[in-house]
Amino acid sequence: AQSVTQLDSQVPVFEEAPVELRCNYSSSVSVYLFWYVQYPNQGLQLLLKYLSGSTLVESINGFEAEFNKSQTSFHLRKPSVHISDTAEYFCAVTLRSNTGKLIFGQGTTLQVKP
Amino acid sequence: GAGVSQTPSNKVTEKGKYVELRCDPISGHTALYWYRQSLGQGPEFLIYFQGTGAADDSGLPNDRFFAVRPEGSVSTLKIQRTERGDSAVYLCASSRRGGSDTQYFGPGTRLTVL
Repeated sequence: AQSVTQLDSQVPVFEEAPVELRCNYSSSVSVYLFWYVQYPNQGLQLLLKYLSGSTLVESINGFEAEFNKSQTSFHLRKPSVHISDTAEYFCAVTLRSNTGKLIFGQGTTLQVKP
Repeated sequence: GAGVSQTPSNKVTEKGKYVELRCDPISGHTALYWYRQSLGQGPEFLIYFQGTGAADDSGLPNDRFFAVRPEGSVSTLKIQRTERGDSAVYLCASSRRGGSDTQYFGPGTRLTVL
């Protein structure tokens, strides 16, 4: 069975500081990897995804994540956060051979302080 | 264009009652997913439809839960004999074909069982 672990439930950080949200997964078969974001009072939105090719993927708002197969990790990073990045972030996987059903981690709340 | 919509946004019911939750996916999306999100947790997969058929219902917790998608567009999640433990936010998502295609989530229905 597959599982996703987000190691931090809350990450407080000051504006313009760098941040890393950690995600590790467990799977005996190949997976696709995703980060979803949920802003306050909004629905889940895809932030970025890794399907194949370059192990470093980027979002349009400055986040990036790197797939590390040997460490089974997909950590999310941003070099300088904004107040507007305050949200809950979910890491998720789906099996390459599967229907696309997502297995989510528990979520990490990013709190950006002024 | 229109996103995924879900009705009602909130539903309060009494233990033992029957409820129906509706999902309108993005037009043309053949894949539809239902997830359940309890407080402080990531979403958990319930069921996946490809067209009109339930291709994977492995996440339904028991036989009180049932879902349909009779015409391959709108889906209804049905819960019989509700229990307090069913209280959660029920999320619907759709994607173009399933697999690695991006899933677009609705705002969710918050179900409260008293």
